[in-house]
Amino acid sequence: AQSVTQLDSQVPVFEEAPVELRCNYSSSVSVYLFWYVQYPNQGLQLLLKYLSGSTLVKGINGFEAEFNKSQTSFHLRKPSVHISDTAEYFCAVSANFGNEKLTFGTGTRLTIIP
Amino acid sequence: DARVTQTPRHKVTEMGQEVTMRCQPILGHNTVFWYRQTMMQGLELLAYFRNRAPLDDSGMPKDRFSAEMPDATLATLKIQPSEPRDSAVYFCASGLTRDRAGTEAFFGQGTRLTVV
Repeated sequence: AQSVTQLDSQVPVFEEAPVELRCNYSSSVSVYLFWYVQYPNQGLQLLLKYLSGSTLVKGINGFEAEFNKSQTSFHLRKPSVHISDTAEYFCAVSANFGNEKLTFGTGTRLTIIP
Repeated sequence: DARVTQTPRHKVTEMGQEVTMRCQPILGHNTVFWYRQTMMQGLELLAYFRNRAPLDDSGMPKDRFSAEMPDATLATLKIQPSEPRDSAVYFCASGLTRDRAGTEAFFGQGTRLTVV
């Protein structure tokens, strides 16, 4: 079975500052990793995904994440945040057939300070 | 623009009543998930289906919850009888599970259930 740990439940960041949201995973098999964003009263929207290949993946809204197999991490980064980035961010893990269920972390609430 | 459609968006019901939530997955997707989101527990996977067959419903209280896919265009989640602790936002998500690609899930807007 797979699991995901998001150590930071809340991250306050000043506008235009960089941000990193941390995600660590655990799995006995090869995994696929995802970051989702949830705005208030909305469903979850995919930011980016890692399936294979380049360990640095770019997503929407200027976000990127780096897959690090040795550290079992998939941290999300943005070089300069905006007020509109205020939301909840979820890291998720899936695996191949038989383990394809999508398991989520507990989420990180990103608050942008003007 | 393909999207997952959930109905109703909001539901207020009295304790003991039956609640049915519906989900129309994106056409062509072979996997459907049901999640429950609460402040205390976060996002919990209740059940999921692949090609309409239930694969895992271990996250669901079996005595009161049931999930089905009567056809490829409809997934349902029923609670009978409902209890106040069932109050939550219930999300349906669908995705295309492919070999060596995992499952990228697309979420609906959710059903906000309040049991009084």
